[in-house]
Amino acid sequence: AQSVTQPDIHITVSEGASLELRCNYSYGATPYLFWYVQSPGQGLQLLLKYFSGDTLVQGIKGFEAEFKRSQSSFNLRKPSVHWSDAAEYFCAVGARGSQGNLIFGKGTKLSVKP
Amino acid sequence: DTGVSQNPRHKITKRGQNVTFRCDPISEHNRLYWYRQTLGQGPEFLTYFQNEAQLEKSRLLSDRFSAERPKGSFSTLEIQRTEQGDSAMYLCASSSRAATDTDTQYFGPGTRLTVL
Repeated sequence: AQSVTQPDIHITVSEGASLELRCNYSYGATPYLFWYVQSPGQGLQLLLKYFSGDTLVQGIKGFEAEFKRSQSSFNLRKPSVHWSDAAEYFCAVGARGSQGNLIFGKGTKLSVKP
Repeated sequence: DTGVSQNPRHKITKRGQNVTFRCDPISEHNRLYWYRQTLGQGPEFLTYFQNEAQLEKSRLLSDRFSAERPKGSFSTLEIQRTEQGDSAMYLCASSSRAATDTDTQYFGPGTRLTVL
């Protein structure tokens, strides 16, 4: 069965510091992979996605993620965090050829210290 | 492209009442999804439409839940005889099979349901 694990429930970083949010997935083949961000009380905004090709993908707001097949990981990174990045981040996996749903991790809450 | 919209944004109801939520997808998106998100969790899939056909339903979707998408445009999600356990954020997403954006789901702002 497909599953997504985000090992860190809550991370606090200082403004200007680098960030890496971890995501591991379980799936029998190469899935579609997504990172979404959610501000309190809001819906989800797509940050970036991996379908195929270059394993390092660039997203909005200066985020990037790297797909590592050997580690079944899709970690999200940002070189310098801004206070406005404080939010909850969700990794999700979708099955290729599927017409249906995404499987989400439980999320990582990011706090930013001034 | 005005994005996915959902109404109402918040709904407070008493246990046992029926509620209905509406989702308007991005225009020309033929796929529409409903998810439920409880506190501290990621969204969980409920159901999926391609045009007007409901093609997939989660086991989370009990008999008290029904969803429709008449004419393949907007969708409604109805919960009958609400229970306190139904309190959650209900999220709608839409996607298109366009070659440039295959299977990317775009989410609305959600409807927050509180059952008293």
